[in-house]
Amino acid sequence: DVQLVESGGGLVQPGGSLRVSCVASGFTFNNFWMSWVRQSPGKGLEWVANIHQDGNEKFYVDSVRGRFTISRDNARNSLYLQMNSLRGDDTAVYYCARLRSSSWRYNWLDLWGHGTLVTVSS
Amino acid sequence: SSDLTQDPAVSVALGQTVTITCQGDSLTKYYASWYQQKPGQAPVVVIFGLHNRPSGIPDRFSGSGSGNTASLIITGVQAEDEADFYCCSRDINNNNRVVFGGGTRLTVL
Repeated sequence: DVQLVESGGGLVQPGGSLRVSCVASGFTFNNFWMSWVRQSPGKGLEWVANIHQDGNEKFYVDSVRGRFTISRDNARNSLYLQMNSLRGDDTAVYYCARLRSSSWRYNWLDLWGHGTLVTVSS
Repeated sequence: SSDLTQDPAVSVALGQTVTITCQGDSLTKYYASWYQQKPGQAPVVVIFGLHNRPSGIPDRFSGSGSGNTASLIITGVQAEDEADFYCCSRDINNNNRVVFGGGTRLTVL
């Protein structure tokens, strides 16, 4: 089956660190850009980060730049999000998603994991 | 601005047609995609590239756009269409970034 499965969420204290992971299966992982998207409880979707197929290009939303690092291990079909200096407003379900593009005018997230909950609280 | 703006809530009678709109500067250059999210579930793309429908998405879902506005149209709304809908596009300030609208909660009466 074509799928993404996240793991690694949990409870962490403010100022702490956590790494969430996403394992891909059923498709050629290193052919695709990948993304992290989060959703705070009761709120909307927020894009967090994108990473190029080879891992050398990375882009972040302003609120996490300098604190979060997106990475990937193509040999392991895995995507990661290292989160440092965590704050209460980072509490969210974190989804990994596959990013497609067939034109400079658009891209889209065509495959999503089920998400992993990160709670930042003392 | 990178922001995409959606009406927070829309309601529609069963079997009728509803249009959900999304506005923002990014849409003057880039095409929108639309995501449906039901409670407790991950989002699912229903329209990409303004008007393309992925396989498996019913043809009652369609998309259009002009200027700084994109629209998701659901024709003959079904009870199972009740959900949150989000628009999304490339960021006009950096096309390798992505922006989401705030979401529209669709209620089927």
